[in-house]
Amino acid sequence: DAKTTQPNSMESNEEEPVHLPCNHSTISGTDYIHWYRQLPSQGPEYVIHGLTSNVNNRMASLAIAEDRKSSTLILHRATLRDAAVYYCILRLSNRDDKIIFGKGTRLHILP
Amino acid sequence: NAGVTQTPKFRILKIGQSMTLQCTQDMNHNYMYWYRQDPGMGLKLIYYSVGAGITDKGEVPNGYNVSRSTTEDFPLRLELAAPSQTSVYFCACDRGNTEAFFGQGTRLTVV
Repeated sequence: DAKTTQPNSMESNEEEPVHLPCNHSTISGTDYIHWYRQLPSQGPEYVIHGLTSNVNNRMASLAIAEDRKSSTLILHRATLRDAAVYYCILRLSNRDDKIIFGKGTRLHILP
Repeated sequence: NAGVTQTPKFRILKIGQSMTLQCTQDMNHNYMYWYRQDPGMGLKLIYYSVGAGITDKGEVPNGYNVSRSTTEDFPLRLELAAPSQTSVYFCACDRGNTEAFFGQGTRLTVV
């Protein structure tokens, strides 16, 4: 399985943008990049996913490098509620697709 | 839609007892997953299923069994509970390489 590498933790100030990086240098051409987050004492929740082009939704933006070996999840204006563990995951495109979580990045938001 | 429903929410088991963790989804998703999350750690995949009648081992399947007789239900069975199985268990579902939905978790303690 292709692996992802994320920083263990990051800090950001409230109401400022946050850029969460993810390296996936062994990504294959048809692997999708997914992001999930887990708020304290809750199950993970989907944030965003993409293949090659940058993606935007109501929660975040996903910027994918041209060579696809890295990506960045962008929270445009962090709030205290965004404090969570963020997971960058590669979803294989074959039939027996499954979700394998890494260690993720623990994001701390400073008021 | 209720989404993904897990029961029970909490359970204390004695060593050697057995139990079934229930997971039901009403979204008609083919893919279902069981994860465990030990304190302060990431999620580990126990078993997954790509459709009714099909199950596969994940990263940490030992000590567990699953079945998938219907699209909606994916129960996880512990036959001989051990302290090492003390964890929070999450069930999830999706259509495969799409947004996955997670249940609220079952907190299991084996004493």
